[in-house]
Amino acid sequence: KAGVTQTPRYLIKTRGQQVTLSCSPISGHRSVSWYQQTPGQGLQFLFEYFSETQRNKGNFPGRFSGRQFSNSRSEMNVSTLELGDSALYLCASSPLTGQLSGANVLTFGAGSRLTVL
Amino acid sequence: AQSVTQLGSHVSVSEGALVLLRCNYSSSVPPYLFWYVQYPNQGLQLLLKYTTGATLVKGINGFEAEFKKSETSFHLTKPSAHMSDAAEYFCAVSDQGAAGNKLTFGGGTRVLVKP
Repeated sequence: KAGVTQTPRYLIKTRGQQVTLSCSPISGHRSVSWYQQTPGQGLQFLFEYFSETQRNKGNFPGRFSGRQFSNSRSEMNVSTLELGDSALYLCASSPLTGQLSGANVLTFGAGSRLTVL
Repeated sequence: AQSVTQLGSHVSVSEGALVLLRCNYSSSVPPYLFWYVQYPNQGLQLLLKYTTGATLVKGINGFEAEFKKSETSFHLTKPSAHMSDAAEYFCAVSDQGAAGNKLTFGGGTRVLVKP
């Protein structure tokens, strides 16, 4: 069974540009979450999508957005890039959403490392 | 709001020695608890999780963790460190009954294993 696939793995952008990152979840998984990982702030939740609907959103500016397609693949977009957006962006998928009937385990991809110059 | 504290951002252990990584959480109700490991240039891999029931949880690669409600702790241990255990370890929590899958992570503990 293929894992969570993130593309591209590495990319370099300049300030003011925009970037789109892609995530293909494990087959059958309908929930996709995104996290930003930086040395200073650690792992921070960006947002979660389930069945093409945003379920949760973290405390990030509106420059950060995402979407999910009918095949559960997800993209996140960052507009008007700033130096501080340099980070590893991790995508995670899960079959379900919510912790109402037990803990849902998130399976993470290898990440997309974004460098903003 | 939930918070997770991992005591010690770096831990150095000798090969064969005990590995002990500390995690304390702040939550009004016992949350679900997880430990993840991250190897260089990779994503996060689940080591173990606690939901309900037995408070001592066994995971992969010989790791285990004990949930102590009275201490709001979920420390991770491994009796004998191996060189392959060198990685960064993250403790995470999620709310029982939450509507989504949001995880709140601790700051991480980087483990160095000395030969």
